[in-house]
Amino acid sequence: GQQLNQSPQSMFIQEGEDVSMNCTSSSIFNTWLWYKQDPGEGPVLLIALYKAGELTSNGRLTAQFGITRKDSFLNISASIPSDVGIYFCAGHPGGGADGLTFGKGTHLIIQP
Amino acid sequence: DAGVTQSPTHLIKTRGQHVTLRCSPISGHKSVSWYQQVLGQGPQFIFQYYEKEERGRGNFPDRFSARQFPNYSSELNVNALLLGDSALYLCASSRTGGFNYGYTFGSGTRLTVV
Repeated sequence: GQQLNQSPQSMFIQEGEDVSMNCTSSSIFNTWLWYKQDPGEGPVLLIALYKAGELTSNGRLTAQFGITRKDSFLNISASIPSDVGIYFCAGHPGGGADGLTFGKGTHLIIQP
Repeated sequence: DAGVTQSPTHLIKTRGQHVTLRCSPISGHKSVSWYQQVLGQGPQFIFQYYEKEERGRGNFPDRFSARQFPNYSSELNVNALLLGDSALYLCASSRTGGFNYGYTFGSGTRLTVV
């Protein structure tokens, strides 16, 4: 099945550094979402974006919905140890019948 | 309030067997969606049910089927299991059909096919 192009695949950073990851699609989406998944758990929603060009923050997290509606990025500022995990982007085309299309994930590893 | 509840949490099956996975949505949520997450990949959409009817289906073979009960709980059934069916199966519930902000995932059922 289709998966979004998410990069980077993994990141090794120092605590306190800023993080940036992005996601692109060949299809247009009406909603872009960013999730975090910890081991043994389901994805947890971090930020939802509903309008092209929208920039939304949630604490140290900031995400933007690309103008073309085919891309999105997520930034994490001043990373802390609990930010470790796998981050997924997901898109929804709108309407009632479709599920979410996910990226392959970015594995964030923070070195003390 | 209880979140999305899935059972069992883990199970091991043999190739060719059948499996049934269960999901109880958040109280007040009438839609349930199922996803398959193979190790190292993002979740893939399998089905969406709303008000006991199938509303959407992903690109999965007919070996996969599901249903939703009057209390809005749901079952995912997989027949003739293959090794490639080994995955984390996630259920998500929402108040209405389609995606909306209240779309919440459960912790999943880890299926291993040997």
